[in-house]
Amino acid sequence: GESVGLHLPTLSVQEGDNSIINCAYSNSASDYFIWYKQESGKGPQFIIDIRSNMDKRQGQRVTVLLNKTVKHLSLQIAATQPGDSAVYFCAETHQGAQKLVFGQGTRLTINP
Amino acid sequence: GAVVSQHPSRVICKSGTSVKIECRSLDFQATTMFWYRQFPKQSLMLMATSNEGSKATYEQGVEKDKFLINHASLTLSTLTVTSAHPEDSSFYICSASPKTQYFGPGTRLLVL
Repeated sequence: GESVGLHLPTLSVQEGDNSIINCAYSNSASDYFIWYKQESGKGPQFIIDIRSNMDKRQGQRVTVLLNKTVKHLSLQIAATQPGDSAVYFCAETHQGAQKLVFGQGTRLTINP
Repeated sequence: GAVVSQHPSRVICKSGTSVKIECRSLDFQATTMFWYRQFPKQSLMLMATSNEGSKATYEQGVEKDKFLINHASLTLSTLTVTSAHPEDSSFYICSASPKTQYFGPGTRLLVL
């Protein structure tokens, strides 16, 4: 069935370093992908999205890369800050569908 | 981004009682809203899709008679947990979508 998963459940990085969070998906029909950030006790917050007609999209300090060949998605956070500590989820859907399928999440912790 | 609110943010109730959670889209109209449940250290699980003016669509395994959804207007959906039991204790999150799904802040339900 459909599934979106992550390679690493936890990621610890030094403050100021770049972070890379990975996500694998199995539904080849997926054409829209979103990264969310969830802080403790809060709802998910939209970070960045990408459509399948692109392989890279940049935002403020964040970049999403999409490799459709191997069904892989990544979120890169530049110059990681303490405020980046959270759980990050990837989510996917496909054209015509409204439902999102969420990955298991990666907890990002920042070492001072 | 779009703003979605939820009320209450936390609720404690006795076993056997019913609890209503509201989800509002504050700056856009939403014909469709989504209700998720999230247990500690787990990902979001879609419970149901709330459709304005029609019946909600429930995911497999979600009891529609237990989790009543009403979407009476383009800015409000409600989830009522009927005859709540301790196993219903969870973090309930709604989302709405002008284009991309934006999430509410969540409602922490504790059933004693």
